Amino acid sequence: DAKTTQPTSMDCAEGRAANLPCNHSTISGNEYVYWYRQIHSQGPQYIIHGLKNNETNEMASLIITEDRKSSTLILPHATLRDTAVYYCIASTDSWGKLQFGAGTQVVVTP
Amino acid sequence: DTAVSQTPKYLVTQMGNDKSIKCEQNLGHDTMYWYKQDSKKFLKIMFSYNNKELIINETVPNRFSPKSPDKAHLNLHINSLELGDSAVYFCASSQDRPGLGLYEQYFGPGTRLTVT
Repeated sequence: DAKTTQPTSMDCAEGRAANLPCNHSTISGNEYVYWYRQIHSQGPQYIIHGLKNNETNEMASLIITEDRKSSTLILPHATLRDTAVYYCIASTDSWGKLQFGAGTQVVVTP
Repeated sequence: DTAVSQTPKYLVTQMGNDKSIKCEQNLGHDTMYWYKQDSKKFLKIMFSYNNKELIINETVPNRFSPKSPDKAHLNLHINSLELGDSAVYFCASSQDRPGLGLYEQYFGPGTRLTVT
């Protein structure tokens, strides 16, 4: 699976959009991009995933560049409850083997 | 209703003991997983079971033995506990959807194991 690179941390003001970048320059054609988050002391929570096209659900939007070498997770209106570690993972569609990295610590401030 | 549950939530035990952690999911999923999150917060997959069959077995000491009595349960038994086994263990489950990017995994609340 491709290695992903994310900033260590970022701050976001409550009510503003949070844009979380992820670099996956070695991603292969059959690897999906997944985003999970882990709120302190809880189990990770699935957010969204995509292959080539941009995706949107009730939690977030995922923008994947045309060359698929990077992506951005967008939380449209960040709330204090969005403070968490966000993980970007590139993985093939095989037996669910997700490799979590260090992620980005996002702190939403009032 | 809790989707993925684990018991116990906390487990404190001494080196050399044998302990088990239980996991149950009521989502009707086909695949279940065990992850370990160490003190540095890195989350690593240990095992995965699909329809009661082992499909992922990472480099985990054989003191760790998963057991899946049925699709809804995946228990983790640990023999001869060591200090380095102290961590938070998470159970997860997902539904097979090959070809559609399957891995919307649902995680349990975790079991914090402390070995003294």
